[in-house]
Amino acid sequence: DQQVKQNSPSLSVQEGRISILNCDYTNSMFDYFLWYKKYPAEGPTFLISISSIKDKNEDGRFTVFLNKSAKHLSLHIVPSQPGDSAVYFCAASADSGYALNFGKGTSLLVTP
Amino acid sequence: EAGVAQSPRYKIIEKRQSVAFWCNPISGHATLYWYQQILGQGPKLLIQFQNNGVVDDSQLPKDRFSAERLKGVDSTLKIQPAKLEDSAVYLCASSRQGSNQPQHFGDGTRLSIL
Repeated sequence: DQQVKQNSPSLSVQEGRISILNCDYTNSMFDYFLWYKKYPAEGPTFLISISSIKDKNEDGRFTVFLNKSAKHLSLHIVPSQPGDSAVYFCAASADSGYALNFGKGTSLLVTP
Repeated sequence: EAGVAQSPRYKIIEKRQSVAFWCNPISGHATLYWYQQILGQGPKLLIQFQNNGVVDDSQLPKDRFSAERLKGVDSTLKIQPAKLEDSAVYLCASSRQGSNQPQHFGDGTRLSIL
């Protein structure tokens, strides 16, 4: 049973524009959410996280928004760069010290 | 700081053979995880260690998979005997103890079963 869903398998954005990646979850016990970026033949790289006590967290060009009532989070990348082209995984856990539940990933392509 | 180290990077074996993977976590990280990532899916937890004790192994197929973390540092994951459906990337991750500590992943071992 997929508790974390990324419904868009792929996304294409022009360089300089905003990329918005979406994620939905079903388990109301989830209280810690993360985004990972993955290049081919490499492991996932931690990008940004948010705990359920917040609704927004920013780190440079990356911002994560959390809507607990809708059980939805999104990752905004502004401005998008060609080096951002990768697969992005959304993950969640019921406690930050426990197992992550991952979505299937969204493949982002940023075109020049 | 050095990242999570895994070896080998690639392994090809025939079904019913055995295989072992090794992981060295980031120094000072008390928690170590093994995940299985099948093509087109997100990683799925197999087992979690806190120091050298098992926290969660509920999704580990214990009839064929085993893992240990002696001395609370390095860890090995073994499959014996391997099945065709075990073809996947096996990822090791580690994190500091405490709240809101992200997991950091190694580059994984890609296992192909013939």
